[in-house]
Amino acid sequence: EDKVVQSPLSLVVHEGDTVTLNCSYEVTNFRSLLWYKQEKKAPTFLFMLTSSGIEKKSGRLSSILDKKELFSILNITATQTGDSAIYLCAVGIQGAQKLVFGQGTRLTINP
Amino acid sequence: SQTIHQWPATLVQPVGSPLSLECTVEGTSNPNLYWYRQAAGRGLQLLFYSVGIGQISSEVPQNLSASRPQDRQFILSSKKLLLSDSGFYLCAWSAVGLNTGELFFGEGSRLTVL
Repeated sequence: EDKVVQSPLSLVVHEGDTVTLNCSYEVTNFRSLLWYKQEKKAPTFLFMLTSSGIEKKSGRLSSILDKKELFSILNITATQTGDSAIYLCAVGIQGAQKLVFGQGTRLTINP
Repeated sequence: SQTIHQWPATLVQPVGSPLSLECTVEGTSNPNLYWYRQAAGRGLQLLFYSVGIGQISSEVPQNLSASRPQDRQFILSSKKLLLSDSGFYLCAWSAVGLNTGELFFGEGSRLTVL
């Protein structure tokens, strides 16, 4: 069974801190790994990673994939209260038109 | 540009009543369509997906069914709701082949079964 596991499930930090969110996976036929941010209702796309060791970066957010150890991390530096959200990790399966999601990490940034 | 609409946004239903959630996509043709459920404090569980009209793949055995009567319309139904059907239901679409790897989500429908 394809499985995606995120940790921690919940994280509370102060504004300005740096956070690292983890995502590990066990899937039959890996195609891609994606990160989404869910603030209120609809998750919005952050990154897609397909190659190991290549960092994707967007402002204060960055992510990297390790296909040998089967995990990815999402880093957020200089956190702001607007970063508070649920962060979802998902894995695309080769040959299947679907994404398998992890449980999500609920991140709370306190001022 | 593409848009996805999902309704109703909120629904409170008694146990044993029927359910119909609708989702439509505009601005694209032949999308892949998905229904996910998000229980409180959990990630997204894939319920159904469809790669074309009348083609439905079910991911988990359950009390729900899905239909795709038109290219850009996806409907989630139940004949008799259970308490365990409560949750946040998200419809999503992607381009065929998931080449971009990206799913685009609707705003969700929050279902409470009492």
